[in-house]
Amino acid sequence: AQTVTQSQPEMSVQEAETVTLSCTYDTSESDYYLFWYKQPPSRQMILVIRQEAYKQQNATENRFSVNFQKAAKSFSLKISDSQLGDAAMYFCAYRSADTGNQFYFGTGTSLTVIP
Amino acid sequence: DAMVIQNPRYQVTQFGKPVTLSCSQTLNHNVMYWYQQKSSQAPKLLFHYYDKDFNNEADTPDNFQSRRPNTSFCFLDIRSPGLGDAAMYLCATSRAGGSGANVLTFGAGSRLTVL
Repeated sequence: AQTVTQSQPEMSVQEAETVTLSCTYDTSESDYYLFWYKQPPSRQMILVIRQEAYKQQNATENRFSVNFQKAAKSFSLKISDSQLGDAAMYFCAYRSADTGNQFYFGTGTSLTVIP
Repeated sequence: DAMVIQNPRYQVTQFGKPVTLSCSQTLNHNVMYWYQQKSSQAPKLLFHYYDKDFNNEADTPDNFQSRRPNTSFCFLDIRSPGLGDAAMYLCATSRAGGSGANVLTFGAGSRLTVL
């Protein structure tokens, strides 16, 4: 199994400010997908953003963007203009493009948004 | 709305008493997954089905079994639950190939308590 590491168990951000969540991963593969999933207190995980490793351009989805550094095997999530509804657990995940259908997750970062 | 439904949301069982968790989907996705999520830990992949093909993770205990009688339904059977099996169990689906592939859609989870 691939290893996905999230070194920040908890983060907090003031409402309307920007926060960056970190993720690193270990792989020998050249083609893969990376994801950030959000798990609100209701516990249903939803996709926030996806990055394909062969694309150099960083993915963006409205207030969410990533900084994908392939050589460093780093995939951070930036949340701009943070809102109260952004409070949740955020999981980084990896999926190989070549071998199997498995998705592997990091341990998550709990984000608190301070009003 | 197309979705992934897990039942029951909460399950209490006694030590050693078999339990079955169910997952149904209306997305017509060909891949279905079962994850175990313990508090403050990464979701851990137990196994997945690609159509009728069952794929077990190497470290999934034999105590955990799965059935997929048709495209829409998948079951997780825990034959003799131990205290260490208390967790949230997440079902997820994905479509292998085509637009929207490589994205997981999750159910709300089934929380298992073992007494």
